[in-house]
Amino acid sequence: AQSVTQPDIHITVSEGASLELRCNYSYGATPYLFWYVQSPGQGLQLLLKYFSGDTLVQGIKGFEAEFKRSQSSFNLRKPSVHWSDAAEYFCAVALYSSASKIIFGSGTRLSIRP
Amino acid sequence: EAGVTQFPSHSVIEKGQTVTLRCDPISGHDNLYWYRRVMGKEIKFLLHFVKESKQDESGMPNNRFLAERTGGTYSTLKVQPAELEDSGVYFCASSQVGEENTGELFFGEGSRLTVL
Repeated sequence: AQSVTQPDIHITVSEGASLELRCNYSYGATPYLFWYVQSPGQGLQLLLKYFSGDTLVQGIKGFEAEFKRSQSSFNLRKPSVHWSDAAEYFCAVALYSSASKIIFGSGTRLSIRP
Repeated sequence: EAGVTQFPSHSVIEKGQTVTLRCDPISGHDNLYWYRRVMGKEIKFLLHFVKESKQDESGMPNNRFLAERTGGTYSTLKVQPAELEDSGVYFCASSQVGEENTGELFFGEGSRLTVL
């Protein structure tokens, strides 16, 4: 069955430190890949997406993600985190088209140490 | 432009009661999705409307859940009768169809349901 795995439930990093959130998916073909963020009291917001082409994609708020087909991974990175980045991050895949249902991972909660 | 709005933001009911959640998508968005997150686990797909038609309802857990989208505008999700395991946060999302679809789902803030 198709699945999305985020192995880290909770990560704490110091403000200004680099960040990498892991995501692996299980699917026979290359799906459409997304990262969403949910800040406290808000809905989910799209950070970035990968459909095809350049495997390194840039998103909002200084985030980027790299698609690695050989590893079935789509890890999210940011070179220097800010306190406002504290939130929950969800990796997700859409299987058939950009409008088909999205399957989410279980999320990674990010805390920022002052 | 208004985003996706959901009502109520939080509902507390007793087991066996009925609750109706409402979602108003972004104007002009024909795709409407319902998702649910239970107890900090993954966000699970419930169903997908295109206008007033159910495109995919494979994620609906059982027949206690009824989703409607009369007129293809707002949608309601009714749980009747509610059970303890229905507690969670119910998210609604919308997007455009066809060439205007960018692949992004626009989410509401969610409706938190607590069943006691």
